[in-house]
Amino acid sequence: SQQGEEDPQALSIQEGENATMNCSYKTSINNLQWYRQNSGRGLVHLILIRSNEREKHSGRLRVTLDTSKKSSSLLITASRAADTASYFCATDQTGANNLFFGTGTRLTVIP
Amino acid sequence: DSGVTQTPKHLITATGQRVTLRCSPRSGDLSVYWYQQSLDQGLQFLIQYYNGEERAKGNILERFSAQQFPDLHSELNLSSLELGDSALYFCASSATGARGEKLFFGSGTQLSVL
Repeated sequence: SQQGEEDPQALSIQEGENATMNCSYKTSINNLQWYRQNSGRGLVHLILIRSNEREKHSGRLRVTLDTSKKSSSLLITASRAADTASYFCATDQTGANNLFFGTGTRLTVIP
Repeated sequence: DSGVTQTPKHLITATGQRVTLRCSPRSGDLSVYWYQQSLDQGLQFLIQYYNGEERAKGNILERFSAQQFPDLHSELNLSSLELGDSALYFCASSATGARGEKLFFGSGTQLSVL
């Protein structure tokens, strides 16, 4: 499969804690994106990191990319109940014409 | 609100039937994508259109077809429906359809085939 894989599949934390999700992929990429999906809703783009970047920040989000390990991580700091959602990585793979989405991490933030 | 509109939100139909899902992209976006999300397959890319022309094709079954009209709205037609076609179907749009561009998703159409 060309899909990425997120790890863990599910994560439950207390409000105020940090949440870290990982994404692994199998082929060379041009960029990697993270999306959030609230239950039963459409996906919302969070952040994009290019293959020549190692780290990127956006508000409480921090994304890292290690192309040698073919992996990325998404860190959400000081989590809030509103962060409860599924998080997906999506890779723009070299030679492919579309984004490949991972299997997602279901994050639950307990108030 | 992403600006991408999908109708209907829910659709219940029987096996063997045909349905049409409709999508209006964000204002100014030229490219439309269709994705299928199911519990066992995750989010699967079906097809992409750019300014009325098919640009990329993914795991779209022969029973499924799509098109993008001159006003840039798109329709996904699903025929000879099977139980396994039950899923959430998303439309997404992007400005230019360039590879790796970020996508704006609609709220989806939940299709239930009984």
